[in-house]
Amino acid sequence: QLQLQESGPGLVKPSETLSLTCTVSGGSISSNDHYWDWIRQTPGRGLEWIGNIHYTGRTNYSPSLKSRATMSVDTSKNQFSLRLSSVTAADTAVYYCARHRGRDNWFDTWGRGTLVTVSS
Amino acid sequence: DIQMTQSPSSLSASVGDRVTITCRASQSIGNSISWYQQRPGKAPNILIYSAYTLQSAAPSRFSGSGSGTDFTLTISRLQPEDFATYHCQQTYSPPYIFGQGTKLEIK
Repeated sequence: QLQLQESGPGLVKPSETLSLTCTVSGGSISSNDHYWDWIRQTPGRGLEWIGNIHYTGRTNYSPSLKSRATMSVDTSKNQFSLRLSSVTAADTAVYYCARHRGRDNWFDTWGRGTLVTVSS
Repeated sequence: DIQMTQSPSSLSASVGDRVTITCRASQSIGNSISWYQQRPGKAPNILIYSAYTLQSAAPSRFSGSGSGTDFTLTISRLQPEDFATYHCQQTYSPPYIFGQGTKLEIK
């Protein structure tokens, strides 16, 4: 059974870069049919899609975060990652990694989520 | 961006009730909507995709309908485990926008 697990610092200082990794187990990240997504959730803004990456390295970002978000994939480790630069308190959220099938665009598998707090 | 307006934001109901949650898209999205259930402290879990197709593990008391801009999620007979937050999501085109969520509480 496919499982996703987020990892990374739970506390990031303002203006610094948030870095998270999602480890995929029970399946291969090198699937031509699937995309690997980052989604975050706050009480005020609800669920917010950040972007996704294909194992070939092709990316797609939300316009609202495109200038600050960078995603990468490491097929040898079955992992994909998110970097979000110049963070502020507004980036405090639970961050989820997830998967979707290319032609469907709904998320069939999610990680458990990790809380990232931006504070000095 | 295609915006999704979900209502109500919260809803109180009793076990055995029938409840309906709605989502309206800012433009026509055909049947490109999915619905998720989220329990406290957990990740969302897919219930329905393509407006009305029930995910294999979802109970049959859940149903979805609608097309174009107006969509509904219906729970026919509420069970205790259904009290959770529900989210719609447009799957038509990126960015994949979610509704603000509906928190379903026990009356």
